Amino acid sequence: GEDVEQSLFLSVREGDSSVINCTYTDSSSTYLYWYKQEPGAGLQLLTYIFSNMDMKQDQRLTVLLNKKDKHLSLRIADTQTGDSAIYFCAELSNDYKLSFGAGTTVTVRA
Amino acid sequence: DGGITQSPKYLFRKEGQNVTLSCEQNLNHDAMYWYRQDPGQGLRLIYYSQIVNDFQKGDIAEGYSVSREKKESFPLTVTSAQKNPTAFYLCASRGKGTSGKGQFFGPGTRLTVL
Repeated sequence: GEDVEQSLFLSVREGDSSVINCTYTDSSSTYLYWYKQEPGAGLQLLTYIFSNMDMKQDQRLTVLLNKKDKHLSLRIADTQTGDSAIYFCAELSNDYKLSFGAGTTVTVRA
Repeated sequence: DGGITQSPKYLFRKEGQNVTLSCEQNLNHDAMYWYRQDPGQGLRLIYYSQIVNDFQKGDIAEGYSVSREKKESFPLTVTSAQKNPTAFYLCASRGKGTSGKGQFFGPGTRLTVL
């Protein structure tokens, strides 16, 4: 299967921007997603980007897609304590299956 | 309110026992999925079903079984053949033509085998 890779940990000061990076391998992926998981809970879809887009902004979230390098990033502006969670990137394959990265644990410090 | 429910939230079983995890959705979604999550790892696909009465193995199906007799329900049985069943299990669903909305996840069931 495809491998989606993310760094495992990110520590950020409250009020700063967070940037979470992801690389994927399936160049035919049509959609790429960012999910958020709080402790002991399921995954919540934060945002997604279609493969023909370079950037998508949704309030404090900005997604950048570099198809040439198969690189996806999620920027969270003005990071708050409620943003502390695990963030997963995922790619959608042609058979509608999702492949997930291992998740980046974001810790927001005061 | 529409959503996915998984029950129970916590489940304890003795080694060698089969156990069934429940997943119900009232979103009228056609496709349903079961994932396993272990610490420090992404979600791994166990089984999925695109339509009622049909399902396919995912990447780690050994030791698990499923059924899809109703559109709303996709129960997962963890059998005694699963060597390391202690994990967090997540169920998800997806509506037809809604790839932009991704998969919608339930709250998960944490299974501990003693």
